[in-house]
Amino acid sequence: AQRVTQPEKLLSVFKGAPVELKCNYSYSGSPELFWYVQYSRQRLQLLLRHISRESIKGFTADLNKGETSFHLKKPFAQEEDSAMYYCALSMFSGGYNKLIFGAGTRLAVHP
Amino acid sequence: GAVVSQHPSWVICKSGTSVKIECRSLDFQATTMFWYRQFPKKSLMLMATSNEGSKATYEQGVEKDKFLINHASLTLSTLTVTSAHPEDSSFYICSARSPRRYTEAFFGQGTRLTVV
Repeated sequence: AQRVTQPEKLLSVFKGAPVELKCNYSYSGSPELFWYVQYSRQRLQLLLRHISRESIKGFTADLNKGETSFHLKKPFAQEEDSAMYYCALSMFSGGYNKLIFGAGTRLAVHP
Repeated sequence: GAVVSQHPSWVICKSGTSVKIECRSLDFQATTMFWYRQFPKKSLMLMATSNEGSKATYEQGVEKDKFLINHASLTLSTLTVTSAHPEDSSFYICSARSPRRYTEAFFGQGTRLTVV
């Protein structure tokens, strides 16, 4: 079955420390993966997608098909990075491309 | 970027009544919209796919008679929670994909429903 797993509910780090938010997926087709972020009192917004291989706000994520992972990384965390982060898988099902989400990881960056 | 707007942002209703939530794509036409439900401190659960001009496609375990979805136009989808019960209290979020930026989903701000 298709599934997105984010094993950590909370990741707490100090400012300037490296960050890695883990995401693993299960999907029989060709995966299209995303990271979405939700800052306090704001709506979900796209952070980055694997196909564009871009770096947004210093975050990067590499799709590893062998390990079925799409971990989100940032070398030096900032306080403004504190938010909920959701890994998402776009899958084709029932005639539509749907997004399914992991449980989310709350990143707390302390001064 | 593309904007998706939900209305209302929050609503309180009595048990047994019905509540309608609107989702609008403000600057693009969305043939498909998605409705999610988010439980406290948990992830977004896809409820259904809303298709313009046709019936919605519901995910397994979601009662279609309980959660009525109508996609009346290319910019409007509605979710009606019928005969609401306290356990329906939740945060409901809609999303849509712009044809111009197909790989990216845009989300509404969500609607907090409280059934008392």
